[in-house]
Amino acid sequence: ELKVEQNPLFLSMQEGKNYTIYCNYSTTSDRLYWYRQDPGKSLESLFVLLSNGAVKQEGRLMASLDTKARLSTLHITAAVHDLSATYFCAVDSYGGSQGNLIFGKGTKLSVKP
Amino acid sequence: GAGVSQSPSNKVTEKGKDVELRCDPISGHTALYWYRQSLGQGLEFLIYFQGNSAPDKSGLPSDRFSAERTGGSVSTLTIQRTQQEDSAVYLCASSPWGGGQPQHFGDGTRLSIL
Repeated sequence: ELKVEQNPLFLSMQEGKNYTIYCNYSTTSDRLYWYRQDPGKSLESLFVLLSNGAVKQEGRLMASLDTKARLSTLHITAAVHDLSATYFCAVDSYGGSQGNLIFGKGTKLSVKP
Repeated sequence: GAGVSQSPSNKVTEKGKDVELRCDPISGHTALYWYRQSLGQGLEFLIYFQGNSAPDKSGLPSDRFSAERTGGSVSTLTIQRTQQEDSAVYLCASSPWGGGQPQHFGDGTRLSIL
């Protein structure tokens, strides 16, 4: 059974600080997704990582994938309040062939001034 | 452009009743997914449709749950004889053709079973 584990599950940061969210998964896959969810809202796609060593950046967020270690990271640089949300990583349950996603439990990020 | 549309946005019903939830995917997207999100279980995959292929029903939690997709577009998720543990937000997503692409999620239907 494919398992996806995120840590930390809760993260309280000060504005301007850097931090990393980790996503480990239990089976081989070369497709890893990051989503953002604001309270009461639906999921918004942030990044799709499709190969070992993939790195993508958007604003203050940078995601990377190491398929050999079965690890993805989401790095936050100089956090701002607008980044407060819950962040989910997800992996294709069939190793990328179909797209049924297995999600981690999410990391609830709170950025305080 | 229009995103994934779900209706109703909220549904309150009594235990034992049947409910139907609707999803209208982004035009042209062949892949359609249903998930549910609850505090206890997080985000769970339910069912996947791809074009005219037989759906992947491996995530449906019991035979009370069923779904169909008519004409390769609109999908309906039906829950029969609802139970309190069915209370959750039911999310629909679509993507152009499946794996390796971001899924676009609707706003969900919040289902409450009294």
